[in-house]
Amino acid sequence: NAGVTQTPKFRVLKTGQSMTLLCAQDMNHEYMYWYRQDPGMGLRLIHYSVGEGTTAKGEVPDGYNVSRLKKQNFLLGLESAAPSQTSVYFCASTSVLAGGKSNEQYFGPGTRLTVT
Amino acid sequence: AQSVTQLGSHVSVSEGALVLLRCNYSSSVPPYLFWYVQYPNQGLQLLLKYTSAATLVKGINGFEAEFKKSETSFHLTKPSAHMSDAAEYFCAVSPYSSASKIIFGSGTRLSIRP
Repeated sequence: NAGVTQTPKFRVLKTGQSMTLLCAQDMNHEYMYWYRQDPGMGLRLIHYSVGEGTTAKGEVPDGYNVSRLKKQNFLLGLESAAPSQTSVYFCASTSVLAGGKSNEQYFGPGTRLTVT
Repeated sequence: AQSVTQLGSHVSVSEGALVLLRCNYSSSVPPYLFWYVQYPNQGLQLLLKYTSAATLVKGINGFEAEFKKSETSFHLTKPSAHMSDAAEYFCAVSPYSSASKIIFGSGTRLSIRP
């Protein structure tokens, strides 16, 4: 199993440009997440999905959109990049335990995005 | 609201010394608790988790953590630090009865002195 993979690993954008980050998991997990990590702030949840065709906002959703057309893929889009979106982006996925609680999350290797 | 607090953004210990990373949580319902480790330029990797079974949880690389409900704590320990333990450590809580989210602490960077 490849686990959770992210594409691309690095990207530099100019302000106003758009891009899509791709996350793929091969563990048949129901839940998928996008986080951003900034120094001293831990991980902040951007958007998440509890199943194919469903998405929900997290803690810092502004400026981002997501889609989950297939169970194994979760896409994060930036329509008009801003310097404040310079960050490391992590995708994660998890399964659902009996009783509805989520199991531990499995993380991808991250995408380092710089917006100039 | 549920939250998790990690005391100390940076901890430095000598090789062979005890490692103690502190984590306190707030939750109105019994939580699941996790410790993750992040090595430079990598994603997060699960060290251990508490899911309401044994209160003392053993993880990978010699780490363990004890769930103390009365203190709302889940501190991470390792008896003898190794240079390879240098990394960032995150405590996380999954407190909801139908959890779809995990709340992460701000992280503690562990440095090991030779």
